[in-house]
Amino acid sequence: KQEVTQIPAALSVPEGENLVLNCSFTDSAIYNLQWFRQDPGKGLTSLLLIQSSQREQTSGRLNASLDKSSGRSTLYIAASQPGDSATYLCAVARGNKLVFGAGTILRVKS
Amino acid sequence: NAGVTQTPKFRVLKTGQSMTLLCAQDMNHEYMYWYRQDPGMGLRLIHYSVGEGTTAKGEVPDGYNVSRLKKQNFLLGLESAAPSQTSVYFCASSYVALVHTQYFGPGTRLTVL
Repeated sequence: KQEVTQIPAALSVPEGENLVLNCSFTDSAIYNLQWFRQDPGKGLTSLLLIQSSQREQTSGRLNASLDKSSGRSTLYIAASQPGDSATYLCAVARGNKLVFGAGTILRVKS
Repeated sequence: NAGVTQTPKFRVLKTGQSMTLLCAQDMNHEYMYWYRQDPGMGLRLIHYSVGEGTTAKGEVPDGYNVSRLKKQNFLLGLESAAPSQTSVYFCASSYVALVHTQYFGPGTRLTVL
């Protein structure tokens, strides 16, 4: 059974800091890995999708990497801003389904 | 283009009552999903559909039923609500499973007393 773990569970950083969120998964036979953002009381918004054949994806200040062999992905956020405060979830795709981690709650202090 | 919408936004039920949650998408997506999200846990898949008229079980299907009579709608039913079904329910859709990302609705917060 695929399990997805996200560390840390919560993170508080000052504005402007670069930060890394971690995601690990137990079964490397994945189709892709996705990072989502969830604002309080809202649904999920897709940030980045990395196909299993890719090593990384970039969008603006966000960079996500994927290492299937070690079962790890990282989400790098450069020059963090208060508007980046949210919960970040990773999900791995297998079969027709996504398996989600519990998320990292990020707070960026101004 | 509204994306994925969910009705209702909030609901309180008593144990044993029934209700239906409605999900609608206007993106002509083939795949639709129902998830539940509980504190400290990620989203867990309840049921999903790979096209009009089809449904399949996800990770936590017990106590729920679904129907996909029209391509744009996916209904989640609770026949006899239990306190363990208190959760936030999210609907999502995608054009092609896994190749494209999933688009999520805003969620329905359900409390069962």
